[in-house]
Amino acid sequence: QKEVEQNSGPLSVPEGAIASLNCTYSDRGSQSFFWYRQYSGKSPELIMFIYSNGDKEDGRFTAQLNKASQYVSLLIRDSQPSDSATYLCASYRDDKIIFGKGTRLHILP
Amino acid sequence: ETGVTQSPTHLIKTRGQQVTLRCSSQSGHNTVSWYQQALGQGPQFIFQYYREEENGRGNFPPRFSGLQFPNYSSELNVNALELDDSALYLCASSSGTGFAETQYFGPGTRLLVL
Repeated sequence: QKEVEQNSGPLSVPEGAIASLNCTYSDRGSQSFFWYRQYSGKSPELIMFIYSNGDKEDGRFTAQLNKASQYVSLLIRDSQPSDSATYLCASYRDDKIIFGKGTRLHILP
Repeated sequence: ETGVTQSPTHLIKTRGQQVTLRCSSQSGHNTVSWYQQALGQGPQFIFQYYREEENGRGNFPPRFSGLQFPNYSSELNVNALELDDSALYLCASSSGTGFAETQYFGPGTRLLVL
């Protein structure tokens, strides 16, 4: 059973600090990885995707991929209260996508 | 707003019944994916349709079936409903096959099976 694992949280981070969200995956053949944000009662929205080892930056967000360790992370710099949400990690392979259960992030004002 | 709509927003059914959920994709998006999201869980991939053909399927039984139409609308049909089918059902549209392109999710249909 291919899995994507995330700590369910909640992860509490002070406003202005860096939030670090982590994800591990079991399928070494996974091709791409996604981070989605889901506000309570809303649908997921894509924040970033990454498919190469290393870092990918987009504004305050940085995704990191380490295929050898089967590890994906998302860093949020200068955290804002509006970043409080559930963050879903997902892996993709062969026309299938697998989501983790998500990590609840709470930014403390 | 993502431009993806779903109907109905809420639905109550009894065990054993059949249900049809509908999705209208963004114009120009040839790909639609359907997901089941139980409370407190991540979305589970049901299947994907590209240009009216199934293009990938998750670990769901055959009683979950779908259709995609040329007018960017699609349906998810679930037969012989079970209590565990109670969940939020999401559709997402995109312009490419697979998941290489950004998916845009609809607001979902919340299904309760009694």
